[in-house]
Amino acid sequence: QSVLTQPPSVSGAPGQRVTISCTGSTSNIGAGYDVQWYQQHPGKAPKLLIYDNINRPSGVPDRFSGSKSGASVSLAITGLQADDEADYYCQSYDGTLSDVLFGGGTKLTVL
Amino acid sequence: EVQLVESGGGLVQPGQSLRLSCSGSSFTFDVSAMSWVRQAPGKGLEWVGFIRSKPYGGTADYAASVRGRFTISRDDSKSIAYLQMNSLKIEDTAVYYCGKDLRPDTAMPIEYWGQGTLVTVSS
Repeated sequence: QSVLTQPPSVSGAPGQRVTISCTGSTSNIGAGYDVQWYQQHPGKAPKLLIYDNINRPSGVPDRFSGSKSGASVSLAITGLQADDEADYYCQSYDGTLSDVLFGGGTKLTVL
Repeated sequence: EVQLVESGGGLVQPGQSLRLSCSGSSFTFDVSAMSWVRQAPGKGLEWVGFIRSKPYGGTADYAASVRGRFTISRDDSKSIAYLQMNSLKIEDTAVYYCGKDLRPDTAMPIEYWGQGTLVTVSS
């Protein structure tokens, strides 16, 4: 059971919009610690998608966006494409555990 | 283009040690913090630890699961970060990734990742 909770799976048709949630607590996201999102294709290294809750590194399409509300954050993907099919992980810091944490990951299936 | 190449993985028995290396190129290594993240077969990502750049003390922080057994160090003259793993356990079996952190003094975010090296701990 991860401290940062993500849905195990989400799905959507090409062109649609999907969101992936990452829920924490007052020890981590709710305490104001920033959240990052990573995308990982099977057998590949993770790739940074969103950092500091809402920022996109250069080269990441604006179809990917992050938002934060209280102790939860969300990753939104619009205009879903086949290549978006991958695992997505949130990451933050927990002040009580003094540890960097990853969420359990969410598998996105493009129907 | 930033490149990170891990090496040193392999098969070891429980209780043994192993040292992983992460060679970086095409970026200013000595002002970069470097992280290690692992992924057990079929599982999610797990943060292992990171080392700050020398201007920020060059100190390392570790996940509770490896603290006291793993040590991260760096040789800026060679642009290499190391992960020394002692008293290995079966549950340490994973692909180990190194990463370049965006900022010189924090473990997040990891802006560039290596391809990973597999460590298998088995008798």
